[in-house]
Amino acid sequence: NAGVTQTPKFQVLKTGQSMTLQCAQDMNHEYMSWYRQDPGMGLRLIHYSVGAGITDQGEVPNGYNVSRSTTEDFPLRLLSAAPSQTSVYFCANHRGRKKLFFGSGTQLSVL
Amino acid sequence: DQQVKQNSPSLSVQEGRISILNCDYTNSMFDYFLWYKKYPAEGPTFLISISSIKDKNEDGRFTVFLNKSAKHLSLHIVPSQPGDSAVYFCAASGSGTSYGKLTFGQGTILTVHP
Repeated sequence: NAGVTQTPKFQVLKTGQSMTLQCAQDMNHEYMSWYRQDPGMGLRLIHYSVGAGITDQGEVPNGYNVSRSTTEDFPLRLLSAAPSQTSVYFCANHRGRKKLFFGSGTQLSVL
Repeated sequence: DQQVKQNSPSLSVQEGRISILNCDYTNSMFDYFLWYKKYPAEGPTFLISISSIKDKNEDGRFTVFLNKSAKHLSLHIVPSQPGDSAVYFCAASGSGTSYGKLTFGQGTILTVHP
């Protein structure tokens, strides 16, 4: 039982490039979320999903797209990477409003 | 507008002593609070939570206190151990928001010295 798996662990992009951060769960939880962690800012919600086919924006959604075609997968797409998107990204899942289970993170640098 | 604030960026304590981490919030709609611990290069892990209908919740060495009138919560770790050294985040959610929409504080780096 891997829980929440994120790939890749590290990524370097050039400004303007696009990429997809992968997130997969094997816990069959209906809720999944994407957060970014920046120094002095804590974790901020980017997008979340309450089930397959249903997504909504969080606090900092600009520049990111998500889709939820299956319960297991919740990829995060960067459409045109910018230096301001340099951050550590965490995917999480949970059942109900209680504790979230986080993946180990993706460290992204945009040059 | 930072709705959840951890005003102490860092805290240093001696092994065996008490660690007290503080968190303040401004949104009166928040009614569920959580603490997460994060080690370097790992994702945050859930530590303890408290609902607004309680003012205290204990789990082993960890106790969370909630003062609703002051919009303040604190995490007490007794006794502190070197393995407790990590970044601690408090988080809050409200009954009016969808599940998963947690609002996090900035985090406090706890260092426990042997």
